[in-house]
Amino acid sequence: KAGVTQTPRYLIKTRGQQVTLSCSPISGHRSVSWYQQTPGQGLQFLFEYFSETQRNKGNFPGRFSGRQFSNSRSEMNVSTLELGDSALYLCASTLGQGGYEQYFGPGTRLTVT
Amino acid sequence: QKEVEQDPGPLSVPEGAIVSLNCTYSNSAFQYFMWYRQYSRKGPELLMYTYSSGNKEDGRFTAQVDKSSKYISLFIRDSQPSDSATYLCAMSGNNRLAFGKGNQVVVIP
Repeated sequence: KAGVTQTPRYLIKTRGQQVTLSCSPISGHRSVSWYQQTPGQGLQFLFEYFSETQRNKGNFPGRFSGRQFSNSRSEMNVSTLELGDSALYLCASTLGQGGYEQYFGPGTRLTVT
Repeated sequence: QKEVEQDPGPLSVPEGAIVSLNCTYSNSAFQYFMWYRQYSRKGPELLMYTYSSGNKEDGRFTAQVDKSSKYISLFIRDSQPSDSATYLCAMSGNNRLAFGKGNQVVVIP
């Protein structure tokens, strides 16, 4: 069974630009969660999508948004990038909403200059 | 008080030693307790999970949960250089999932 895939793996953007990251969950998994990981803050929850609806949201500004498609694939968008947005963005999928067994993708390393 | 506390380390041990990792938490609603392993430049992978209090063993890995003390542990026996990674604890309950910051472990050959 294929794992969670994320594209692109690496990205360099300039302050003020916007970026869209993509995540394909494990086949059959309907819930996708997004996390931001930095050395200082660790793994921080951004949001969770289940059946194309945002079910849970972390404490991030509105510049961070996401969506989920009918095939469970998900995208995350960050607008007006700031230097502090440089991080590893991880996507995780679970079978159902709020599942405790999170299966993570390899992440997208975003660098904002 | 942070919801989940985990000492970031790093923790260096000689090959063959026992690695002991732990986390404390404050949310009594947590029922599922997980340990993830993350290698450099990779996403976390689920290592073990435990429901409620008790012990669980899987090969060289043992997870312990003490809900009365809000304390969980992971032990790695006969550690190998391939165990060098960051270990994150995670807890779930009442529609809430929280992670520790991760503890970097280095096993020296």
